[in-house]
Amino acid sequence: AQSVTQLGSHVSVSEGALVLLRCNYSSSVPPYLFWYVQYPNQGLQLLLKYTSAATLVKGINGFEAEFKKSETSFHLTKPSAHMSDAAEYFCAVSRDYSSASKIIFGSGTRLSIRP
Amino acid sequence: GAVVSQHPSRVICKSGTSVKIECRSLDFQATTMFWYRQFPKKSLMLMATSNEGSKATYEQGVEKDKFLINHASLTLSTLTVTSAHPEDSSFYICSVQRETGEEQYFGPGTRLTVT
Repeated sequence: AQSVTQLGSHVSVSEGALVLLRCNYSSSVPPYLFWYVQYPNQGLQLLLKYTSAATLVKGINGFEAEFKKSETSFHLTKPSAHMSDAAEYFCAVSRDYSSASKIIFGSGTRLSIRP
Repeated sequence: GAVVSQHPSRVICKSGTSVKIECRSLDFQATTMFWYRQFPKKSLMLMATSNEGSKATYEQGVEKDKFLINHASLTLSTLTVTSAHPEDSSFYICSVQRETGEEQYFGPGTRLTVT
């Protein structure tokens, strides 16, 4: 079985500060890992994905995540937070992209940005 | 531009009535469509997976007679919530997949409120 755990349901940082959203996964097979962002009353937008290529994955809006197998982690970071980054962020895991594979979502982390 | 659309974006219905939500793949023919449900401040839970021309596969605990899914074409899937009750109030999100092995693209979601 696969699962993801997001540490911290709410993270608040100052504008310009480092953003760090934590995600740990559990998977019996090499995982595909994702980070999605959801703005209020909107669907999910893919930020970035790890598909067993480079362990450091760069995404949109200046976000990146590093796959660390030894730590079973896939934390999301951004060097300098912007007010527009305030949203809900979901870490997710899948066996692969096939239609038979489900995407399992974490519980989400709400990111707030202080002026 | 948007890859997936949902209609309506929000709907309010009375208890006991049925409501239909449409999900359209705008950019490509989708062999597989997924329906998710998101409770307030919670993560997404997969409800069912549907392939064009075949019956949907429902997740454990999801009542197939209550949540009717019709994957009428390669660009359209509908979710009908039958005999809706207040506890069915939620944010429903669909996603589409072009081919096996490709990623899912998420729709903007439909907020259902049952009074």
